Amino acid sequence: AQSVAQPEDQVNVAEGNPLTVKCTYSVSGNPYLFWYVQYPNRGLQFLLKYITGDNLVKGSYGFEAEFNKSQTSFHLKKPSALVSDSALYFCAVSATDSWGKLQFGAGTQVVVTP
Amino acid sequence: ETGVTQTPRHLVMGMTNKKSLKCEQHLGHNAMYWYKQSAKKPLELMFVYSLEERVENNSVPSRFSPECPNSSHLFLHLHTLQPEDSALYLCASSQDARASPYEQYFGPGTRLTVT
Repeated sequence: AQSVAQPEDQVNVAEGNPLTVKCTYSVSGNPYLFWYVQYPNRGLQFLLKYITGDNLVKGSYGFEAEFNKSQTSFHLKKPSALVSDSALYFCAVSATDSWGKLQFGAGTQVVVTP
Repeated sequence: ETGVTQTPRHLVMGMTNKKSLKCEQHLGHNAMYWYKQSAKKPLELMFVYSLEERVENNSVPSRFSPECPNSSHLFLHLHTLQPEDSALYLCASSQDARASPYEQYFGPGTRLTVT
């Protein structure tokens, strides 16, 4: 079985400050890890993924995430947050035999204040 | 979001109605998915289709009936729903369902309200 935990329901950050959204996972074997973002009344948009290789993954809109196997974490980061980054962020994990089955976390609401 | 389209965007139906949700992907993908998104809950995978074959049915009640006539179209037929079925229904597609590394692309969703 696979699972994802996003320990924070909401993250508040001032514009221009660094943004971190936490994610830990549990999966049998090697994980495939994803981050998605959802704006109000919209579907989910893919931000980035980790498959293998370099532990630091760069994605869309200046976001990056760091895979840490020993801590089973995949935290999303952005060096300088924008008000437009305010949205709901989802971490997801899948395994090689899961028929593309993504297990999503419950989501973290990011609020960036001017 | 124009890669995956969903209609209608909003739907209100009574418990005795029959309606269908439609999804179309313009990305040339081979896999399509239905998800249910309820407030304060993680996304729930409902169905997975790979090359028009259903490969996952995640213990979904029979009042939800999927149909995938080709790799570009996916339907979700609804009948005798319950108020707790009110949610945002999201369609997604990916290059291949069997190979997990492929990211999924989501449509904007259909906001369903059951009265």
